[in-house]
Amino acid sequence: GENVEQHPSTLSVQEGDSAVIKCTYSDSASNYFPWYKQELGKGPQLIIDIRSNVGEKKDQRIAVTLNKTAKHFSLHITETQPEDSAVYFCAASPRYSGYALNFGKGTSLLVTP
Amino acid sequence: EAQVTQNPRYLITVTGKKLTVTCSQNMNHEYMSWYRQDPGLGLRQIYYSMNVEATDKGDVPEGYKVSRKEKRNFPLILESPSPNQTSLYFCASSLEGSFLMGQFFGPGTRLTVL
Repeated sequence: GENVEQHPSTLSVQEGDSAVIKCTYSDSASNYFPWYKQELGKGPQLIIDIRSNVGEKKDQRIAVTLNKTAKHFSLHITETQPEDSAVYFCAASPRYSGYALNFGKGTSLLVTP
Repeated sequence: EAQVTQNPRYLITVTGKKLTVTCSQNMNHEYMSWYRQDPGLGLRQIYYSMNVEATDKGDVPEGYKVSRKEKRNFPLILESPSPNQTSLYFCASSLEGSFLMGQFFGPGTRLTVL
């Protein structure tokens, strides 16, 4: 099945700096790649997603890039703020089912003032 | 308010005692899913449902059952819980049988099986 690897597992940045989280996937036919943010005590929340026919997508301070050849995608957060501190999950939709979603193991991001 | 609700939020039980965790959504979503979250393992899909009376196994279905008799409800059933099912459980839903519009997650149910 689809295998999604996420790095780093923890990331600490200073407020105002950028943060980058990277994920790789195994199935070259995967076509949908969402990113979720999970705050303490809450369920994950979709923050941005990208489809395989697009190389980059941006939403204010958040951007996602996709390299289909290398089978990796990345989340970029610029001008980080303390409220960006959370656990971030990447995910990929595998070819064999359009309705199953395989998640990475998460990155705990800490933004220090 | 559009939301996914889960009950109970916290549950402590003993091995072998059947339990049900309810999930309900008020967004008229076709697709619903259950995940479990364990430290260091991320989110793993247990079961999902494309629509009423249509369910399918995810990555870790063993020891769980689901049913989808109504569009809004998707209960998770543990017939004979075991300690390795101690976990944080999330229900999620999305529109049109596809999560391309984004999945909405419930607040989670923390289950402890002694």
